[in-house]
Amino acid sequence: DAGITQSPRHKVTETGTPVTLRCHQTENHRYMYWYRQDPGHGLRLIHYSYGVKDTDKGEVSDGYSVSRSKTEDFLLTLESATSSQTSVYFCAISEGTGTEAFFGQGTRLTVV
Amino acid sequence: KQEVTQIPAALSVPEGENLVLNCSFTDSAIYNLQWFRQDPGKGLTSLLLIQSSQREQTSGRLNASLDKSSGRSTLYIAASQPGDSATYLCAVRGGWGGSRLTFGEGTQLTVNP
Repeated sequence: DAGITQSPRHKVTETGTPVTLRCHQTENHRYMYWYRQDPGHGLRLIHYSYGVKDTDKGEVSDGYSVSRSKTEDFLLTLESATSSQTSVYFCAISEGTGTEAFFGQGTRLTVV
Repeated sequence: KQEVTQIPAALSVPEGENLVLNCSFTDSAIYNLQWFRQDPGKGLTSLLLIQSSQREQTSGRLNASLDKSSGRSTLYIAASQPGDSATYLCAVRGGWGGSRLTFGEGTQLTVNP
């Protein structure tokens, strides 16, 4: 299995609070991605990174920010959590555009 | 914008049957297509990766084909087993999306003993 660790695995937070999810990889892969998965919408890209300090927005980036200060870590921050951000969040990694992508086990976030 | 569609959304078959899952995409200028499996409450497991220059890939009882020009891929599962029950997702990379993976909503497969 690819070395991807997401933390925390489960979190309940209150509306309006900031939340940071962490994705840590031990594969030294260049690309890292954050997706959210919701019933009826499938997997949607939030942000992705193509190198240290290089990030770009996905299709559902509003309300989220990311940072990648070192190769192994990709952080997703919900600046002020809302109930619509209740979801399962997945991190993925890929060595390049021509190689397999591997996914973490997910973080279940509930905003109350 | 790249759009990926998977048909059917759900499929229920008896054990031992051969089956085909379908995936179509709108922008044919892709780098590759990847099939995943997802068990309930779990992450995604990569099954097969097909590059844009390839026509098919095989792994055990799984065979994936790609027709890039028509924007279609199929995942063939031979001699299905109850352990194959899961949601199968296809994702494409490239074209409009560049290095992004764009997913279909998946096919939920149930194999009945």
